[in-house]
Amino acid sequence: AQSVTQPDIHITVSEGASLELRCNYSYGATPYLFWYVQSPGQGLQLLLKYFSGDTLVQGIKGFEAEFKRSQSSFNLRKPSVHWSDAAEYFCAVVGSSNTGKLIFGQGTTLQVKP
Amino acid sequence: DVKVTQSSRYLVKRTGEKVFLECVQDMDHENMFWYRQDPGLGLRLIYFSYDVKMKEKGDIPEGYSVSREKKERFSLILESASTNQTSMYLCASSTTWDSYEQYFGPGTRLTVT
Repeated sequence: AQSVTQPDIHITVSEGASLELRCNYSYGATPYLFWYVQSPGQGLQLLLKYFSGDTLVQGIKGFEAEFKRSQSSFNLRKPSVHWSDAAEYFCAVVGSSNTGKLIFGQGTTLQVKP
Repeated sequence: DVKVTQSSRYLVKRTGEKVFLECVQDMDHENMFWYRQDPGLGLRLIYFSYDVKMKEKGDIPEGYSVSREKKERFSLILESASTNQTSMYLCASSTTWDSYEQYFGPGTRLTVT
C-alpha cells in the first residue's frame, strides 16, 4: 500500500537559516508528489508538485523540492527562512489515479526563531 | 480564482445533535473529499466522491455519512455527534484531468460538547 512518511514532527530554525523538510514515500509506479503548507487556522495551500521531467521542482514562496527515485524521497528546501514560513507542512502522494485520492504524511510543524 | 468554501469556520454542537457540514466548489471538479485533522494524526480521509451521487469510504468513515446531489456541493453529516468528533474538518476538490491537485477550503472547527 502507498504511504508517506515525514520523519520530523517538529523543526525549529532561525530566521535566515536554510531549511530542509524530509518526505519519504512508498509507491510502486512513478509517483505524483505534492507539498502543501497550512498556516494556523487555515486550509492547505499547494507549494509545489512533481509529476515527471526535471527532478528539481520550483514552487511558490521560494520553496523547491527534489525528487530522488533511488531514495524514495521528495524533500522540501528553502535557502533562507522567513518568520512568515512558520506553519505546518504536508507531503502527499497520489494514491489512486482513478479518483485522485491523496495519501498525506503526518505533517511537520516549522517554528522560526527570530 | 479557484475557490472551495465551507459553510462555517466555527461550529459548536451538543452531543447527539445531527450536524451538517457543507462544502461548495466553483471549479466544476468531479472529485470532492472530506478530511478531519487532529494534532499528531495529520489529515485522515473520511469520505470522498468522484461523481454526483457517487461516494466511497475513506479511512475513518464510522460515525459519518455524506451526500452529493449536485456536482458543486458535498455535504458531511454527523448523524449523532459525539465528543470524539470534535476536530477540524477540511473539504477539498480536484479534477482527475489536471494533475490531481486538491484545492482546500478554509476548514470548519467543530466542537461537540
